[in-house]
Formats: sequence, structure tokens, C-alpha cells
Amino acid sequence: KNQVEQSPQSLIILEGKNCTLQCNYTVSPFSNLRWYKQDTGRGPVSLTIMTFSENTKSNGRYTATLDADTKQSSLHITASQLSDSASYICSHNDMRFGAGTRLTVKP
Amino acid sequence: GAVVSQHPSRVICKSGTSVKIECRSLDFQATTMFWYRQFPKQSLMLMATSNEGSKATYEQGVEKDKFLINHASLTLSTLTVTSAHPEDSSFYICSARESAAAGYYEQYFGPGTRLTVT
Repeated sequence: KNQVEQSPQSLIILEGKNCTLQCNYTVSPFSNLRWYKQDTGRGPVSLTIMTFSENTKSNGRYTATLDADTKQSSLHITASQLSDSASYICSHNDMRFGAGTRLTVKP
Repeated sequence: GAVVSQHPSRVICKSGTSVKIECRSLDFQATTMFWYRQFPKQSLMLMATSNEGSKATYEQGVEKDKFLINHASLTLSTLTVTSAHPEDSSFYICSARESAAAGYYEQYFGPGTRLTVT
């Protein structure tokens, strides 16, 4: 069982809509949780990073939340664009990675 | 932001041969670099942590004699897949860590190398 679980595995939304992706982790201790965007055949690009004392972090249309007590994080994307179509990966301590959520934004 | 490059982007080799993949931090010095492997629709799997001037630290289950890592300078780390077999076919990605303000560090990933072993 992966120590970092993401849901859903895939998601299709219409352009302009919002969506929320989930990440649960089971490992300790905690240093940071990071969300990445990965286009097909490319390396991941960091979107947000949160440490233990932070429970929300925004980067443009991306807002990440963290609940260190329940070991859950979410990534909220507002006003989606076609270019948001990609895999979104969360990582725990930059060492353990989830399998990602494949987001497809349709016109 | 900082840029990390990988070379080559794609390589096809025959079974039994060795392949070297380079990872470079182009505009910053990286004392620590990481190598990952990613199979289709799966998560990134950390293979090893590469520290400049010292031996790499390998994750459990990763054969250090098969995946040779050299971090000879602050801007270059190499991964050599020795005696490659078809099951080594994968997407290999490196990342480099750059210190940032307030105790943060940023992690920049290379574009990846698609290895196909025939």
C-alpha cells in the first residue's frame, strides 16, 4: 500500500469549472507536503509547498490545504483552463509520491 | 525559476548494454540531486539521493551496482544503467534541490529521460 494515496485517479471537468483533488499520507514525521503538476512525458513542476505550521497556500488559481492532524491535503483549482489538463501529484517530504490524479479539462 | 536539464531525452538501447543519463542544474548549484523512476500511470519512485562529493544513498530494493550514480560537481549528476534489460525500460527523472529563503528549499525536476531497452 502506497504511503501517499491520491483521489480520484482521474477526473474530467468542463472548462471554467472548479475541482478539488485529495491526498492522504500515512507516514511520519512530517516535513513538508508539496503539490506538483506533471504534463505527459515531462518532469513535475512544483505548484505549492506547505510545512507543518501552514494549512493553506495559494498559487494563482491553485489553492492547497493541509490538515496535519488527519494527514490530509487537498488541491483546489478554480476557473479551470484547458491547459490545466495534466497529472497532479502530491509528495510527502519530497520522498514519497502519490500516483497522481489525471485531470482532463474539456471545452 | 531554476532549470534542470536531462540528457538524453530519449534513448533506445539493446539488452546488455549500459546507458548514461545526465542531470544538470543550469543556473544554480545543487548539493543534493535525486533520481526517480516512473512507470506509466504510476507514482514517482525515488531510487537514490545523490550528494556532491560523496556516495549516493539508495532506496531499499534499488541495486546500487546496477544503477551507478556519480555526483561529481555541484551542477551535474549522472545515472548509469548497467547491463540494461527490458524491465529497466522506464521514465527516469532527476531533481535538484536549491536552498531558498526562510529555511525552505525548492525542488526542481528535469524533463525526464525515456529509456527503452530492446
